[in-house]
Amino acid sequence: EAAVTQSPRNKVAVTGGKVTLSCNQTNNHNNMYWYRQDTGHGLRLIHYSYGAGSTEKGDIPDGYKASRPSQENFSLILELATPSQTSVYFCASGATGWSQNTLYFGAGTRLSVL
Amino acid sequence: GEQVEQRPPHLSVREGDSAVITCTYTDPNSYYFFWYKQEPGASLQLLMKVFSSTEINEGQGFTVLLNKKDKRLSLNLTAAHPGDSAAYFCAVRRDAYKVIFGKGTHLHVLP
Repeated sequence: EAAVTQSPRNKVAVTGGKVTLSCNQTNNHNNMYWYRQDTGHGLRLIHYSYGAGSTEKGDIPDGYKASRPSQENFSLILELATPSQTSVYFCASGATGWSQNTLYFGAGTRLSVL
Repeated sequence: GEQVEQRPPHLSVREGDSAVITCTYTDPNSYYFFWYKQEPGASLQLLMKVFSSTEINEGQGFTVLLNKKDKRLSLNLTAAHPGDSAAYFCAVRRDAYKVIFGKGTHLHVLP
């Protein structure tokens, strides 16, 4: 079973502050993803990565940066947090290939920006 | 880009009744399709995945139908029970990396 660990699980930040959400996976998956989940919007893709050193913009990248320093770790960075970024954030990992398409999700990080 | 529309957003059924959730997608090149289940306060867990062809997949208490011609994916819970109460999300993959999700359906099964 894939293991994806997010930290912190809960975070309260102030407007204008910097927030870093971390994600670690232990399954040697090439692909990693950051989604945010909001009522009425489902899951929306923020950034993704297909390997160490790569980051790609998803559908809603504005206000977010990502970093993939290693195969195992993928961070989401909010340089200047805003209340509109209050959400639940999910990290996921997945392999590349026709038969290995499943995404494995972390437990989520609930972020409140005051 | 790819659009995935999921209906209905909310669904209440009685225990033992069937429940049907449907997703339509726009990109004919989409090739892998998923259903995820999210219980309250929890993460998403894979329910089933189907490949790009017209097929029916059966799981424990549910059926997934993919109709590539109509670009439609459906999840049918055949005899819902309270443990099925959760949010369900369809997802579509059209390349090696990006997976796009529907907005979700909150299913409530009444005892």
